[in-house]
Amino acid sequence: KAGVTQTPRYLIKTRGQQVTLSCSPISGHRSVSWYQQTPGQGLQFLFEYFSETQRNKGNFPGRFSGRQFSNSRSEMNVSTLELGDSALYLCASSLAGSTKSTDTQYFGPGTRLTVL
Amino acid sequence: SQELEQSPQSLIVQEGKNLTINCTSSKTLYGLYWYKQKYGEGLIFLMMLQKGGEEKSHEKITAKLDEKKQQSSLHITASQPSHAGIYLCGAAPTGNQFYFGTGTSLTVIP
Repeated sequence: KAGVTQTPRYLIKTRGQQVTLSCSPISGHRSVSWYQQTPGQGLQFLFEYFSETQRNKGNFPGRFSGRQFSNSRSEMNVSTLELGDSALYLCASSLAGSTKSTDTQYFGPGTRLTVL
Repeated sequence: SQELEQSPQSLIVQEGKNLTINCTSSKTLYGLYWYKQKYGEGLIFLMMLQKGGEEKSHEKITAKLDEKKQQSSLHITASQPSHAGIYLCGAAPTGNQFYFGTGTSLTVIP
């Protein structure tokens, strides 16, 4: 089976712009979670989608949004970019969900976003 | 995150040495995951522990879960340069959000 894929791998934007990141989960997985990783804050949960519905949301401003399509592919959007949004954005897929203790999340390679 | 604290923050060991990384939760653990990350890359799943007292091994890496102490440990025997990276524990102690530990950076000197 193919693993989790993320596109693009690298992105450079300027403050005020918006960006859309894409994540394709492992075939058969219906849950996709997004995480932000920065040197200062570590890995932080953004949100999780399951069967096209947002199931959980982390503590991030409304500028961060996402959606999931019927084929389980997910996109994450960040509007009005700020310098502090520079980070590695990781998505993970699982069968039933990130908070199900019997399930396992598998991660993509990440998208490195740099905001200038 | 404050939900999961890892120690030590970083480790530098000589090849062949054993080492232990700890992950402590502020809440009851109903399952704990260990991942490894090469710098700037995605996370690689290592192991999942579901029950208190459970111990799992994969190659030279062993992980244990102590539910009473709300703690897990990851032990690497006879470390190799290929073990270098960042080790992260993760769990969903509140049931509505997945948290990662603060991470442990491991350097193995040949």
